[in-house]
Amino acid sequence: QSALTQPASVSGSPGQSITLSCTGSNTDIGSYNLVSWYQHHPGKAPKVIIYEVSKRPSGVSDRFSGSKFGNTASLTISGLQTEDEADYYCCSYAASSTFEAYVFGTGTKVAVL
Amino acid sequence: QVHLVQSGAEVKKPGSSVKVSCKASGGTFNSYIMSWVRQAPGQGLEWMGGIFDTTNYAQKFQGRLTITADESTSTAYMDLSSLTSEDTAIYYCARSWNYGQLDYWGQGTLVTVSS
Repeated sequence: QSALTQPASVSGSPGQSITLSCTGSNTDIGSYNLVSWYQHHPGKAPKVIIYEVSKRPSGVSDRFSGSKFGNTASLTISGLQTEDEADYYCCSYAASSTFEAYVFGTGTKVAVL
Repeated sequence: QVHLVQSGAEVKKPGSSVKVSCKASGGTFNSYIMSWVRQAPGQGLEWMGGIFDTTNYAQKFQGRLTITADESTSTAYMDLSSLTSEDTAIYYCARSWNYGQLDYWGQGTLVTVSS
């Protein structure tokens, strides 16, 4: 049950698009479409912004989009805004014959320059 | 509307145990998995375990983590024993359906382990 791998930081200017990657394995991302993404502002509870790889919860901006190819999931933020500055975590269901669990990514800090 | 309300901050001695509660309102308590997720200072989110009809624990916490639920009060509990300074963290409860997205989160409970 190793953590999913994310870049430590990604930055962009207002209005730009950025893409965050999340790399796992064939026991998690590669085998299940149960990948979700969370936006986490310090001092607040995490908020789900993408679920089941590419679906957006009601009320989440369509500037956020998700995808997956093989063992890697991606989150794209389009039209970057200052309020997008936060930590972002991917998360996947993971299972084998001996365990069933969630696995989080290492987290990416997004900076809006 | 679903709300998860957690118990207050705790300060514990090394070697002791801590029990954090998470009371749910709205929704059907026993239809969802209740997970516990923690964030240590300067670290990322870490799934600890969850309870539905059975409990599942991350390998790292096997043997010292116990998650229980009381359906009569719609409250889940996280009991972590043999605490060390590395267990100092904010602990969150979070709800999901069938290992899908964690859609509702508690406000977090700070647990500080210090001698």
